[in-house]
Amino acid sequence: DAKTTQPPSMDCAEGRAANLPCNHSTISGNEYVYWYRQIHSQGPQYIIHGLKNNETNEMASLIITEDRKSSTLILPHATLRDTAVYYCIVPQGAQKLVFGQGTRLTINP
Amino acid sequence: ETGVTQTPRHLVMGMTNKKSLKCEQHLGHNAMYWYKQSAKKPLELMFVYNFKEQTENNSVPSRFSPECPNSSHLFLHLHTLQPEDSALYLCASSQPQGRETQYFGPGTRLLVL
Repeated sequence: DAKTTQPPSMDCAEGRAANLPCNHSTISGNEYVYWYRQIHSQGPQYIIHGLKNNETNEMASLIITEDRKSSTLILPHATLRDTAVYYCIVPQGAQKLVFGQGTRLTINP
Repeated sequence: ETGVTQTPRHLVMGMTNKKSLKCEQHLGHNAMYWYKQSAKKPLELMFVYNFKEQTENNSVPSRFSPECPNSSHLFLHLHTLQPEDSALYLCASSQPQGRETQYFGPGTRLLVL
């Protein structure tokens, strides 16, 4: 099962794009990459997921490298409300989301 | 609003008390989950229920007793807890097909004195 590595913290200016990296070098061919975020003391919120193609929704874009060993979550125009811990997850089996420490993203005014 | 509600939002209990946490989902899902998040630690999966049947118990002590009477409701019964059980308890739901997105409730903040 793949594990993920993320930087512990990042800062971004309000209005700029926030790019959050994730390494998952041991990911296998049929494993998806999921991104969730957790705003302080709230439940985690699903953002986006992908297999090998880039994905975009109303919240974010997910760029997955061609070898699938890493990905980047992009928040195109970060706001103060995007301050949260962001988790990159490769599920460790059916229904098993294993949350690591994630990246604490701080959006600065 | 994610469609998953939890009550109470905050709970303080003594080590000899018995209390229950409640979770309800309005998403038509058939899988429900309990997670625990202790201070400064990642979320830990506790239990998984699929179609009301428990399919995962992640070595959780017996002082935590889950109950799933139907696919929309999930309870966590608590008895003789320890102070180290103080944590944020999160409920989630999904469809049980494996790669389905999980939707989380707001959590119950539990303090055991």
